[in-house]
Amino acid sequence: EVQLLESGGGLVQPGGSLRLSCAASGFTFSNYAMCWVRQAPGKGPEWVSSITASGSDTYYADSVKGRFTISRDNSKNTLFLQMNSLRAEDTAVYYCAKDVGSSPAVYWGQGTLVTVSS
Amino acid sequence: QTVVTQEPSLTVSPGGTVTLTCASSTGAVTSGYYPNWFQQKPGQIPRALIYSTSNKHSWTPARFSGSLLGGKAALTLSGVQPEDEAEYYCLVLYGGAWVFGGGTKVTVL
Repeated sequence: EVQLLESGGGLVQPGGSLRLSCAASGFTFSNYAMCWVRQAPGKGPEWVSSITASGSDTYYADSVKGRFTISRDNSKNTLFLQMNSLRAEDTAVYYCAKDVGSSPAVYWGQGTLVTVSS
Repeated sequence: QTVVTQEPSLTVSPGGTVTLTCASSTGAVTSGYYPNWFQQKPGQIPRALIYSTSNKHSWTPARFSGSLLGGKAALTLSGVQPEDEAEYYCLVLYGGAWVFGGGTKVTVL
């Protein structure tokens, strides 16, 4: 059974940084692309970033490009999202999700809440 | 920045059929944009329904189908059930970046 467990969320001041982690289990992590999707309260989901199975290629939404960095440690079955220069509009629940082939975000974790506020 | 547009809301009677569409600000949505559809019910995480235009996941009910219609991606619900009341989001690929639509709230009434 695919399990994805996010951690690292919390309250941070504008301009601050956070690093999210996603521990994966139940599948061969190194074989699958992964992504981060966020959802602000009362809003629809927003794709944030994706990374290929090997980690060699990464992709970002325009809204986070240059501020967020996605990475992975295949030896530890863990996905990361380093978030810098955080803004109030980054406030959301952040989900890590597993891609399957050409299908993105097929399996989702339970999410971790990031609140950017002074 | 690419904008993906969906109908804000649609209402359908139980047993009826409804079609949701997904349009792109850059032009026609084609299979090369790998359109996906997700369902989200209140308090739940989005659930993947359709990928690559028309392919269903193993858990996707047969009454859901995806297609391309008039330059848009489309999701058709046939024989709608009360439990299909939910928000539906399309997700489209633009050169490595995915973009969600704003969502369509489907009410079964």
